[in-house]
Amino acid sequence: QSALTQPASVSGSPGQSITLSCTGTSSDIGAYDYVSWYQHHPGKAPKLMIYDVSTRPSGVSNRFSGSKSGNTASLTISGLQAEDEADYYCASYISGTAMFGGGTKLTVL
Amino acid sequence: EVQLLESGGGLVQPGGSLRLSCAASGFSFNSYGMNWVRQAPGKGLEWVSGISGSGGKTHYADFVKGRFTVSRDNSKNTLYLQMNSLRAEDTAVYYCAKGLWEWLSEGDYWGQGTLVTVSS
Repeated sequence: QSALTQPASVSGSPGQSITLSCTGTSSDIGAYDYVSWYQHHPGKAPKLMIYDVSTRPSGVSNRFSGSKSGNTASLTISGLQAEDEADYYCASYISGTAMFGGGTKLTVL
Repeated sequence: EVQLLESGGGLVQPGGSLRLSCAASGFSFNSYGMNWVRQAPGKGLEWVSGISGSGGKTHYADFVKGRFTVSRDNSKNTLYLQMNSLRAEDTAVYYCAKGLWEWLSEGDYWGQGTLVTVSS
């Protein structure tokens, strides 16, 4: 498996909606619904935000939503807030292995 | 409350060994798979290894196969990562993460990490 591809950075203003992308291949994202998203504030433990493409764990704000089209998965954050500024990683757990994307740094302007 | 506490990190010379531990509490440890994920300085998250709840199935990233060994002691609620033949590129913060399910799966709770530095 090759690493998943994410844009290095994305920015948005408070209240806006932004979408982060994660591109894989027809062998991983395109073939299975096992895409997850993590929020990581530097120096803290990563937090699972979405799994199985679009499922939110208990306690995660409904401002976060996930989707997939073909080989690309997306994380949408609506009503952007200052505390959303963090690094975001997608991941795929398939067939006894796992891989992460390179991460996207989200800046809230 | 789920808690994961990593320990065992430190400075080690290239070619050396280190064993990381992850003490778990707040959940039925033997019912969940566990993961090790690392983050090198200035880099992104990188999955290292995983193990099923029973310990019967283990999984490794290609870059650690043959060098690292994951194990668990369900009687002690503790996850381990034995790291041998360490290289400079293994320098990273190592996180343990509880899986969503008994098998290899996404981490829904993570520890704060332990720093491993490989340098002469």
